[in-house]
Amino acid sequence: DGGITQSPKYLFRKEGQNVTLSCEQNLNHDAMYWYRQDPGQGLRLIYYSQIVNDFQKGDIAEGYSVSREKKESFPLTVTSAQKNPTAFYLCASSSKLGDNSPLHFGNGTRLTVT
Amino acid sequence: QQQVKQSPQSLIVQKGGISIINCAYENTAFDYFPWYQQFPGKGPALLIAIRPDVSEKKEGRFTISFNKSAKQFSLHIMDSQPGDSATYFCAASIAPGRRALTFGSGTRLQVQP
Repeated sequence: DGGITQSPKYLFRKEGQNVTLSCEQNLNHDAMYWYRQDPGQGLRLIYYSQIVNDFQKGDIAEGYSVSREKKESFPLTVTSAQKNPTAFYLCASSSKLGDNSPLHFGNGTRLTVT
Repeated sequence: QQQVKQSPQSLIVQKGGISIINCAYENTAFDYFPWYQQFPGKGPALLIAIRPDVSEKKEGRFTISFNKSAKQFSLHIMDSQPGDSATYFCAASIAPGRRALTFGSGTRLQVQP
């Protein structure tokens, strides 16, 4: 089955530690995205990538970093500089950026930082 | 910052009733307006979408109404069912090739049996 795989489903970290969230897709999509979901705030765009080795900051990129070394993979690192890292993180992909093709989402990673 | 404002934040409807969720936007460059449905513990999935050249689009029990002059669009769920209980997000995007989707804040719908 084609889709987006996010792992792990739940992640716990101590404050001050960097943590990397995994996102893999086998849909052969060019574009990939990371969104953060908080209660009452909807989905906010962290980073997105149109193609391998290229990525752009979204609306709330501070304290996060990404890489796109392979078409299938778009890992997100939550650094210690992110002031409120506890959230539900969603990875998505689409065939191309801006062609209005549907976003395919993974089932998310819930990160808790204490 | 591009914004899409969504209301209400939560909605309770009786089975068989009509659920209505509203969204408003400011940026007239938006030209694509999808709605996503999210069940607990899952990622959102595309439900229905509309472009500004039409005023209404219907797919089964789901209808998008679009008012370009008012910069508003809404989702109507007819004959609402308990299985429709989910969080619904409206979204918008600008001209192709420039940007990812901007989402509204979400509406949690509960359909009571």
